[in-house]
Amino acid sequence: QKEVEQNSGPLSVPEGAIASLNCTYSDRVSQSFFWYRQYSGKSPELIMSIYSNGDKEDGRFTAQLNKASQYVSLLIRDSQPSDSATYLCAVFSGNTPLVFGKGTRLSVIA
Amino acid sequence: KAGVTQTPRYLIKTRGQQVTLSCSPISGHRSVSWYQQTPGQGLQFLFEYFSETQRNKGNFPGRFSGRQFSNSRSEMNVSTLELGDSALYLCASSASPGQGGVTQYFGPGTRLTVL
Repeated sequence: QKEVEQNSGPLSVPEGAIASLNCTYSDRVSQSFFWYRQYSGKSPELIMSIYSNGDKEDGRFTAQLNKASQYVSLLIRDSQPSDSATYLCAVFSGNTPLVFGKGTRLSVIA
Repeated sequence: KAGVTQTPRYLIKTRGQQVTLSCSPISGHRSVSWYQQTPGQGLQFLFEYFSETQRNKGNFPGRFSGRQFSNSRSEMNVSTLELGDSALYLCASSASPGQGGVTQYFGPGTRLTVL
């Protein structure tokens, strides 16, 4: 059973701080990793994808992947109240459906 | 490029009825996945279709079924509705099921309420 684990939160950070969201996965051969943001009552929206070890930056977002330790993280710099949402980690291992974690709820306090 | 569309957006049904939900993927995308989302349960995978073939199926009873048409549009059907079927049903579109095209883009969802 392929698993993707996330801390459910809520993770509370003050406005302007760095929010750090973590995700671990069980399948060593996982190839592709995704972060989605989901506002309450809305559908998930793709934020970042990452395929290779290391960091990938896109604006205020940085995804970090460490395949040896089987974790992927998402850093949000200069957090804003509008970043308050649930963040879903998803992992692809080939020939099987994308596996989603249950999500981490982030609350950015103004 | 237009995004993923789902119809209807909201549905209210009573127990025992059946329902059909529709999903049109992003133009050029040939893979469609369906998910059920309930509070506290996260995204539960229902099925995945590619080129009119079901590639994967989640752990749901046979009351849940789906299909994909030659134009990649997909439908899912739930028969004999139960109260526990109340959920947000999400459709996700991707170019293909393989490594290079697996990125999924979600539609707005269909909110189903069973009374």
